[in-house]
Amino acid sequence: GESVGLHLPTLSVQEGDNSIINCAYSNSASDYFIWYKQESGKGPQFIIDIRSNMDKRQGQRVTVLLNKTVKHLSLQIAATQPGDSAVYFCAENGSGNTGKLIFGQGTTLQVKP
Amino acid sequence: DAGVIQSPRHEVTEMGQEVTLRCKPISGHDYLFWYRQTMMRGLELLIYFNNNVPIDDSGMPEDRFSAKMPNASFSTLKIQPSEPRDSAVYFCASSRGQTRKYEQYFGPGTRLTVT
Repeated sequence: GESVGLHLPTLSVQEGDNSIINCAYSNSASDYFIWYKQESGKGPQFIIDIRSNMDKRQGQRVTVLLNKTVKHLSLQIAATQPGDSAVYFCAENGSGNTGKLIFGQGTTLQVKP
Repeated sequence: DAGVIQSPRHEVTEMGQEVTLRCKPISGHDYLFWYRQTMMRGLELLIYFNNNVPIDDSGMPEDRFSAKMPNASFSTLKIQPSEPRDSAVYFCASSRGQTRKYEQYFGPGTRLTVT
């Protein structure tokens, strides 16, 4: 029979529009956060990171916002392109300075031409 | 830099057979991570090494799974015997040093199918 898999939230945007992908993280002790992009058939690719002493960081066409009060992270992509279509994961480092990352379940971004 | 290298890219095997997945981390990276990704459970950390020493293997599903890192440039993940529920994509990732240890770089993955 069919297997039941994770139901990833999906964000569908028009090419050229801005995209905002949200993530609620779990551990208030986390002080480092990363966004990864995973295209079909590939491994997750590092996009941008932010430390807890910042609330905003900008990269090329991407901006990450961090709200520690509500444990919320967002990734903004400006002028979304078809090549941005992928699954986006947020990750946090948790507590204990271990080197491990805790990954969220991911959000699928679909860009309509 | 060649990035993290994994082999094979695809593996199809029968239940009960031994499977060995291989990983070459990025040169100079001293952390190595093995992950498993499935539709049911998402991305799971299985085990990670620092300076070739296993640090945390709490994510390894059961005794059928084992991982080694004999040197800084090579690691293996072995499943013996394999079962259909082991079918997944297995990723290796590496990172460098203390200040950037969370910046993990992933390989292309090995897609394992156990029939």
